[in-house]
Amino acid sequence: DSGVTQTPKHLITATGQRVTLRCSPRSGDLSVYWYQQSLDQGLQFLIQYYNGEERAKGNILERFSAQQFPDLHSELNLSSLELGDSALYFCASSTGRGTDTQYFGPGTRLTVL
Amino acid sequence: QQQVKQSPQSLIVQKGGISIINCAYENTAFDYFPWYQQFPGKGPALLIAIRPDVSEKKEGRFTISFNKSAKQFSLHIMDSQPGDSATYFCAASIGDSNYQLIWGAGTKLIIKP
Repeated sequence: DSGVTQTPKHLITATGQRVTLRCSPRSGDLSVYWYQQSLDQGLQFLIQYYNGEERAKGNILERFSAQQFPDLHSELNLSSLELGDSALYFCASSTGRGTDTQYFGPGTRLTVL
Repeated sequence: QQQVKQSPQSLIVQKGGISIINCAYENTAFDYFPWYQQFPGKGPALLIAIRPDVSEKKEGRFTISFNKSAKQFSLHIMDSQPGDSATYFCAASIGDSNYQLIWGAGTKLIIKP
């Protein structure tokens, strides 16, 4: 158990809909990262937050947005969903200082029908 | 220049054999090289990491070899076991100020009993 929690574990929705994925980092970690992993694909970095502020942006679509709240939990919002958005979405957390370890949550499996 | 190229994409090794996964990078500013292990349905987890001031790091059956001049690093798994079957990701990052991992594409390793 990494200490990172993600909810929900599974999500099934229809095209055009909007969903919110939630992540709680490990106690003491200030940085949260979001990744997308499609079937048998690598990890696509989406976005990183540090102590409530956006720190780095990867290949995140304009239909996707994220935020980190004062209690350090983070939410990833996916809107106007398309079939191709079906994937595993991982959240990771770290202290955000130096080259520290990223601890990954169990992921949210999103299926868009 | 920000890419990390990982090979092979998939690898099948007999039990007891040596598994070797290679990664190459271009950006000489990278100074931290971790390997993550991901089991099916789980988030990746840090396996072993190296900095460029050493050429090799060993932890149990897992060894990272680092060749700074060739800008390559590799993961060796000695006496490979069926429980090592997983996807392995190499990654690289730069320094302290804006910690962000650049990920390889992943290698799916299958150890045959």
